[in-house]
Order: sequence, then C-alpha cells, then structure tokens
Amino acid sequence: EIVLTQSPGTLSLSPGERATLSCRASQSVSSSYLVWYQQKRGQAPRLLIYGVSTRATGIPDRFSGSGSGTDFTLTISRLEPEDFAVYYCQQYGSSLTFGGGTKVEIK
Amino acid sequence: QVQLQESGPGLVKPSETLSLTCTVSGGSISSYYWSWIRQPPGKGLEWIGYIYYSGSTNYSPSLKSRVTISVDTSKNQFSLKLSSVTAADTAVYYCARLGHDFWGGYHYYYMDVWGKGTTVTVSS
Repeated sequence: EIVLTQSPGTLSLSPGERATLSCRASQSVSSSYLVWYQQKRGQAPRLLIYGVSTRATGIPDRFSGSGSGTDFTLTISRLEPEDFAVYYCQQYGSSLTFGGGTKVEIK
Repeated sequence: QVQLQESGPGLVKPSETLSLTCTVSGGSISSYYWSWIRQPPGKGLEWIGYIYYSGSTNYSPSLKSRVTISVDTSKNQFSLKLSSVTAADTAVYYCARLGHDFWGGYHYYYMDVWGKGTTVTVSS
C-alpha cells in the first residue's frame, strides 16, 4: 500500500501570501492518479485538483498542482480568506490512500 | 446535479455491525464507482472501499476482513456494512462518487461528489 506523507502539518500564513504544500509518496504514483482535496471545518472534502495538475470544475486558478513520481506539490498563489482549511492529497493505484493532511491557518 | 445522502444509525454497540446507506439523487448510479470514506474525530480521511454499479468491489486492506459494500441499482443506493465494530470505528462516514475521465491515453479517477457525512459513534 502506498503511504502519502504531507508536510508541513500546519502552515501559518497571512491572506495574500503564497502557500506551498508537499505530498510525498512511499513509492512512485502514476501522475493520472494523484488528487488534492480541500476540507473546511464541519464540511465534506471538496475536489480541487486531479491528475496532478488539472483543476476541477469551478476551482480558481490560484490553485495549482505539480510534481511526478513520489513528490507532488499544491500551490495556492495568493491566499484568500476562504482558502484557510485542511488539504489532503490522495492516490489511486491498486488501493486508494490519503495523506495525513496539511492545515493552512491564518497567521 | 448529483447529490448523495448518507443514512443509518448514529449509535452502534461494540461488536455489532455498522450499516449505512447512501442514496444517489439527481443522476443514475450506473456507469460509476461509488466509495465510502471515514474520518475519526480530529483526524484525517480514511478510504474504506468502493463498488462499481455492476457490483465489483475493492476494499482497503486494513478493513477488508470486516467490510462489505453492496449496490441496489433499482433504488439508486449503495450500502456499507462494517462488522465487529469497536470504539476505533467511531467516525464521520462519507459516501462519494468516483468520477472518471479518459484523455491523452490515461484514465483519471477522483472523488468529485460527496455526501455531507453522517456521524457514527460506537458505544455501549
């Protein structure tokens, strides 16, 4: 089973700043199977990005994904107030696993 | 648009079987995979398993011995059964659609529609 490790655990930033979130896999992940979700408190997760870098419908272009192999990154170019949330990466291979999450909090 | 709604008991006794149903509205259950995910209080997401509308399944290795996911296409529903529950199974349980794209020679899978989640507590 592929283990996904997200870092940092918590990112403290101010609105307008750039956020860079990391997701590292224990073995190589097919790029078409790497997904990012956003979860706000008390809500279900929301699909942000799939296939490493394809934004889901309605996701603003300040969100971008990159990476390959075992190292993947979610970047939020300029944080808006509504972006403060927890972000999860997920891979789909023979099994499906989530990373432990990165919380983006207001500094 | 497609909406998902989880339903089932909010309290289950230890050693008993947790049973939840997800009802799909606004679209057909056909031609998609459907998934269950859970989230213990204050923790991250854990995938439980998924089922194709035809009935084929794939379960998390860590839960496989206790999980059964089934589908009822006539009711546009799919269900989760988790046996021999303990307090560690206390969580918010989500159902989700596993969306699919195919382009550039590659398949893309992602959970694009989620239910609101239902809290299940395991306690005597």
